[in-house]
Amino acid sequence: SQELEQSPQSLIVQEGKNLTINCTSSKTLYGLYWYKQKYGEGLIFLMMLQKGGEEKSHEKITAKLDEKKQQSSLHITASQPSHAGIYLCGADINSDSWGKLQFGAGTQVVVTP
Amino acid sequence: NAGVTQTPKFRVLKTGQSMTLLCAQDMNHEYMYWYRQDPGMGLRLIHYSVGEGTTAKGEVPDGYNVSRLKKQNFLLGLESAAPSQTSVYFCASTRQGAPNQPQHFGDGTRLSIL
Repeated sequence: SQELEQSPQSLIVQEGKNLTINCTSSKTLYGLYWYKQKYGEGLIFLMMLQKGGEEKSHEKITAKLDEKKQQSSLHITASQPSHAGIYLCGADINSDSWGKLQFGAGTQVVVTP
Repeated sequence: NAGVTQTPKFRVLKTGQSMTLLCAQDMNHEYMYWYRQDPGMGLRLIHYSVGEGTTAKGEVPDGYNVSRLKKQNFLLGLESAAPSQTSVYFCASTRQGAPNQPQHFGDGTRLSIL
């Protein structure tokens, strides 16, 4: 079973619309990382969240960490074709082995004209 | 600044053949990782290293071996390739294993075992 669940698995959004991706953990989150992957390429680091309630933004992407829900959300405002790709969350959920990240299965985002 | 470089980018093997995937990083990172990515399963950790000369098993280590003879290089070996090892392999590195150090990834190696 996945210790880190991402939803939705995929989504299609019209250019200019907003979208939200969720990442939920079954264990305590000690650090949460969001990555983006384009087909055939590696993972590009987007943002890192550490503390409950923390929120970070970069350009049109905002990530939040809800400590109580053990959940993080990634929100994209006014989506553009450049936002298309696979978004993955990774998390430190084992306090005795930092750096051994668990990853969600990913969310494929398609942006249509 | 190259970051994390993986070679080769693509490879096709026959069942039973062996090969080595090379990962090189130029960021002086202590920790290095090998993952495999399969559809619907995200990234799964194969082996990792917390420093030169050290290696440890991850979540799915069977059928793979690794070596970290130099700090900047992390090698992943398949001694006898099997079709189940068809996957995309990613190498990553980080400065240290702490809950505030993002991992930096290479572009991946697409491996097909026939």
